Amino acid sequence: GIQVEQSPPDLILQEGANSTLRCNFSDSVNNLQWFHQNPWGQLINLFYIPSGTKQNGRLSATTVATERYSLLYISSSQTTDSGVYFCAVRSGGSYIPTFGRGTSLIVHP
Amino acid sequence: DTGVSQDPRHKITKRGQNVTFRCDPISEHNRLYWYRQTLGQGPEFLTYFQNEAQLEKSRLLSDRFSAERPKGSFSTLEIQRTEQGDSAMYLCASSPGLAGVFEQFFGPGTRLTVL
Repeated sequence: GIQVEQSPPDLILQEGANSTLRCNFSDSVNNLQWFHQNPWGQLINLFYIPSGTKQNGRLSATTVATERYSLLYISSSQTTDSGVYFCAVRSGGSYIPTFGRGTSLIVHP
Repeated sequence: DTGVSQDPRHKITKRGQNVTFRCDPISEHNRLYWYRQTLGQGPEFLTYFQNEAQLEKSRLLSDRFSAERPKGSFSTLEIQRTEQGDSAMYLCASSPGLAGVFEQFFGPGTRLTVL
């Protein structure tokens, strides 16, 4: 099956810093989502982005499907950005997404 | 649109007991997924429903696990004869039935602790 690798696995920032999270995948995909899992375990949709670029406030994402990666940008980070960020991809005719292992982000005040 | 809901949010049980979890998807979402997540890992797929039909089951899903989605609305996940290794967060997600669109929306999860 498709392999999904996220980097870095851990990230510690000071409030106000910018960061880039990466998601690499081993095969072509037709669906990709970024999620933020908050400290209570809730997975929150950030972007549904099979290709192209999207922005939502301080967050933006770019997927380059032909090169098999996606990037999540967080600007002017806040303590509430802390948590784990997952990407999930779906390829071929499968209905089942595959998740990466996540990037754990801690933002210090 | 009230989002995906799950009940209970927390469950503590003794080894060997049966437990049942419920998931209510976003209304009119005909796709429903169950996942299991353990500490430090991403969600692992368990099973998938399209309307009332269970179309896929993971090999992770032993015969102690069963899921249903009667009438294509809410779904239940039952674990029989629980083991300590079943302790995990159980997540439910739903997705609209639009062709080619598989955007998933997750519920808050049910955290299971088996003593």
